[in-house]
Amino acid sequence: DAKTTQPPSMDCAEGRAANLPCNHSTISGNEYVYWYRQIHSQGPQYIIHGLKNNETNEMASLIITEDRKSSTLILPHATLRDTAVYYCIVRVARNYGQNFVFGPGTRLSVLP
Amino acid sequence: NAGVMQNPRHLVRRRGQEARLRCSPMKGHSHVYWYRQLPEEGLKFMVYLQKENIIDESGMPKERFSAEFPKEGPSILRIQQVVRGDSAAYFCASSLGQDSYEQYFGPGTRLTVT
Repeated sequence: DAKTTQPPSMDCAEGRAANLPCNHSTISGNEYVYWYRQIHSQGPQYIIHGLKNNETNEMASLIITEDRKSSTLILPHATLRDTAVYYCIVRVARNYGQNFVFGPGTRLSVLP
Repeated sequence: NAGVMQNPRHLVRRRGQEARLRCSPMKGHSHVYWYRQLPEEGLKFMVYLQKENIIDESGMPKERFSAEFPKEGPSILRIQQVVRGDSAAYFCASSLGQDSYEQYFGPGTRLTVT
């Protein structure tokens, strides 16, 4: 199972871009990178996922390096409501299902 | 389109009682996952079910815990003879399929064992 490494915490000024890094150096070729966030004990919220190409949606952008060993989640204009724990997850396929392995994540604090 | 529903949101049980947690997946989703989050820790996978089948229960404790997802009705996570260490937030997620599909999480059930 590929494991991910994230900084335990980060600060970001409101209105600025938040760039959250993730290392997944042992990722295999058919594993996707997913990002979720959890706001104060709520259920985790899906943000974005990708395989090898960069992805963008209404919430964020995902930049995956060419060797796929790391990625960066970008929140282009962080707001106070983006304060949360952000999880970078590499999907593990097991039998016929998929098993998301959540690490400790990065606690992002958006400061006014 | 309603999201994943879980009930109850809060459940208090005395040691030795049974806890039943219910999860209704998003409309059209037939894949359900249960996770447990202990205080100040990350989520831990417990079990993955499709309708009437347990696909992966590698994260389930061997005793006292069981899960089902019947043909009709919600998925149920059942904990028998609860102990204080079972106090946690239990999250259910659902997905459309088993390939690259993302999982959508419910608000969780917070179980407190007294």
